[in-house]
Amino acid sequence: SQQGEEDPQALSIQEGENATMNCSYKTSINNLQWYRQNSGRGLVHLILIRSNEREKHSGRLRVTLDTSKKSSSLLITASRAADTASYFCATQILSGYSTLTFGKGTMLLVSP
Amino acid sequence: KAGVTQTPRYLIKTRGQQVTLSCSPISGHRSVSWYQQTPGQGLQFLFEYFSETQRNKGNFPGRFSGRQFSNSRSEMNVSTLELGDSALYLCASSSGNGETQYFGPGTRLLVL
Repeated sequence: SQQGEEDPQALSIQEGENATMNCSYKTSINNLQWYRQNSGRGLVHLILIRSNEREKHSGRLRVTLDTSKKSSSLLITASRAADTASYFCATQILSGYSTLTFGKGTMLLVSP
Repeated sequence: KAGVTQTPRYLIKTRGQQVTLSCSPISGHRSVSWYQQTPGQGLQFLFEYFSETQRNKGNFPGRFSGRQFSNSRSEMNVSTLELGDSALYLCASSSGNGETQYFGPGTRLLVL
């Protein structure tokens, strides 16, 4: 079953603009992660934010987590055409196993 | 370190056949997880193995099975293939508590 729900489902922007994607989930979690997937290939881990953290940065990526609202956002600043991909949020509950529960993803198109 | 490798990369089978997919984790990683990705259902968890033991299983029929060997390599098997089994099958490996998972390129299975 899907834990996370991303919003929007698709996003089209110009190079240089910022892209914001949101993710909501249903249950308590240990962490929330964002992954990128290019054209149906493997997933690339972007960033992980733990439940006791509110904001995290990695290069042009900024992730926020609001556990009271069970939501997260991923901001990509100064987007490039190479950022065109699908982005998935995944939640994790570390209780003897490390299963990721994914949302359905946001397709981002960055036009030159 | 070499990344996660999956073989074969592409596979075409007919209904009723069976298929075995292989995954070699990153050296030193003892946890291997499998996910199925379809346009309709998104990314769904199949199973997770740690040190040759299945420690979590997703909501899939018994036709889907897996195993892990002493060298941490893992295989998954799907028997009596159905058209709906057409999907991208992704394998991920992790170390430690499994927070960060590293995905392979996937095996794309087409069932005719």
